[in-house]
Amino acid sequence: AQSVAQPEDQVNVAEGNPLTVKCTYSVSGNPYLFWYVQYPNRGLQFLLKYITGDNLVKGSYGFEAEFNKSQTSFHLKKPSALVSDSALYFCAVRAPRSGYALNFGKGTSLLVTP
Amino acid sequence: SAVISQKPSRDICQRGTSLTIQCQVDSQVTMMFWYRQQPGQSLTLIATANQGSEATYESGFVIDKFPISRPNLTFSTLTVSNMSPEDSSIYLCSVGDYEQFFGPGTRLTVL
Repeated sequence: AQSVAQPEDQVNVAEGNPLTVKCTYSVSGNPYLFWYVQYPNRGLQFLLKYITGDNLVKGSYGFEAEFNKSQTSFHLKKPSALVSDSALYFCAVRAPRSGYALNFGKGTSLLVTP
Repeated sequence: SAVISQKPSRDICQRGTSLTIQCQVDSQVTMMFWYRQQPGQSLTLIATANQGSEATYESGFVIDKFPISRPNLTFSTLTVSNMSPEDSSIYLCSVGDYEQFFGPGTRLTVL
């Protein structure tokens, strides 16, 4: 069975500071990993994915994530947070040959204060 | 990326009734999924709907409660049957394989 864990319910960051939203995964084989963002009363928006290749993945809105196989982690990062980044962030995983449906983490609420 | 629309965007329903949610995609897609997001919770997969075959339901979800249609490659419906307050959730459809794109969701409140 595949799963992801987001250990933090909420992350608070001051605008301009770097942000990290943590995600660890458990999957048999090489994982396919994803980050999505959900703004209030909006659907999920795709940020980035890791399938294979470089461990550092760059995505939308200046976000990036680093795949770390030894630590089974896929933390989301941004060098300089914006107030508009405040939203709910979901990490998701799909195991190869398991179908295309995603298993989502419980979500981390990011609050960026001015 | 695909553009996905859902109807209705929100609804308030009485217990015991049924609601059909529509998902329309602007391009032909093979894989389509229905998820549920209960208040304050993460997304849970209800079923996978491929055109030309019966939907595949996840554990805890049954066809009698959540019948799904997939008549063509751009459209699907999810019906929430015999609703109870526990069915109050956001229901989202998504499409894609390596990248999944989500519709805006249908916010359902059952009284």
